[in-house]
Amino acid sequence: DGGITQSPKYLFRKEGQNVTLSCEQNLNHDAMYWYRQDPGQGLRLIYYSQIVNDFQKGDIAEGYSVSREKKESFPLTVTSAQKNPTAFYLCASSLFGTATGELFFGEGSRLTVL
Amino acid sequence: QQQVKQSPQSLIVQKGGISIINCAYENTAFDYFPWYQQFPGKGPALLIAIRPDVSEKKEGRFTISFNKSAKQFSLHIMDSQPGDSATYFCAASNPNNAGNMLTFGGGTRLMVKP
Repeated sequence: DGGITQSPKYLFRKEGQNVTLSCEQNLNHDAMYWYRQDPGQGLRLIYYSQIVNDFQKGDIAEGYSVSREKKESFPLTVTSAQKNPTAFYLCASSLFGTATGELFFGEGSRLTVL
Repeated sequence: QQQVKQSPQSLIVQKGGISIINCAYENTAFDYFPWYQQFPGKGPALLIAIRPDVSEKKEGRFTISFNKSAKQFSLHIMDSQPGDSATYFCAASNPNNAGNMLTFGGGTRLMVKP
């Protein structure tokens, strides 16, 4: 089945630790995205990548880093510089970029900082 | 900053009733308005979308109404069912922005009572 796989589904982190969230897609989509979801704030864009080896900051990139070494993969690292990392993180992909309107989302990773 | 304002934050509707969720925007450059549906523990999925050249789009029980002059659009769910209970997000995209990213509303949690 084609889709987006995020792992882990749940993650606990101690303050001061970096963590990496995995996102893999087999839809052959060019563009990939990371969103953060907090109650009442909708989905906020962290980073996006439209081609391999290139990525751009979104609205809330501070404290996060990404890489795009393969078309299928777009991992997100939540660094210790992120002041409030507890959130639900969603990875998405689209064929050409959101001009088509349709983003395909993974099932999310819930990060809790202890 | 581009914004899409969504209301209400939560909504309770009886089975068979009409659910109405409203969104308002400021940026007249927005040219694509999708709605996403998210079930608990899952990623959002595209439900229905509209472009500003039409005032209404209907797909089954779901209808988008678009008022370009008022810069508002809304989602109507007719004959609401318990299975429609989910969080709904409106969004908008601006082709003048690099990457043509979607800006999401804050979300509406809908509960349909049996």
